[in-house]
Amino acid sequence: KAGVTQTPRYLIKTRGQQVTLSCSPISGHRSVSWYQQTPGQGLQFLFEYFSETQRNKGNFPGRFSGRQFSNSRSEMNVSTLELGDSALYLCASSANRVDTEAFFGQGTRLTVV
Amino acid sequence: SQQGEEDPQALSIQEGENATMNCSYKTSINNLQWYRQNSGRGLVHLILIRSNEREKHSGRLRVTLDTSKKSSSLLITASRAADTASYFCATAYRGATNKLIFGTGTLLAVQP
Repeated sequence: KAGVTQTPRYLIKTRGQQVTLSCSPISGHRSVSWYQQTPGQGLQFLFEYFSETQRNKGNFPGRFSGRQFSNSRSEMNVSTLELGDSALYLCASSANRVDTEAFFGQGTRLTVV
Repeated sequence: SQQGEEDPQALSIQEGENATMNCSYKTSINNLQWYRQNSGRGLVHLILIRSNEREKHSGRLRVTLDTSKKSSSLLITASRAADTASYFCATAYRGATNKLIFGTGTLLAVQP
């Protein structure tokens, strides 16, 4: 079956703009999580959505938000972009079971100039 | 920081040799997962080991887990140039199963 799909693969935005990233999980997976990867901070958890509700949240400012649709597809939005938001944003999908693997998409590379 | 630690940060070996990476974490876990990442691309899931398991194998991979020491190791046997990548451990904690806390990663270079 198809893997996790993230779009777009690359984005260049200007400081102050906002951006929306999209993630389509593996068919049948209802949990979608988002991560930010930077050279300085490594891989950090942003938030998790399950059944259209945010279930877990990391330590990121309110400029980072997300949502999940009834078909489990998820979007994350970053408003008022800062240079430090330049990163690889990764989406992971999981089945809703304890001790289940998380499968990641190829990521969206966001560059803020 | 909740982030786990991995060592070594970088490892360079010859093809055919074994590579061992270590991961330490901070609190009780449900499971620990290992991932591979090639050149800043997506993460590829390698293996999941549950908190009540001590060792797990998958092909050329062997993972151990010592919950008393809060540590895990990943052994890649008979390495190949294609194994060149960054390797990350990620822990899932009770009450937040899908919130993975990642280690700092080990950059493995396998010389042909």
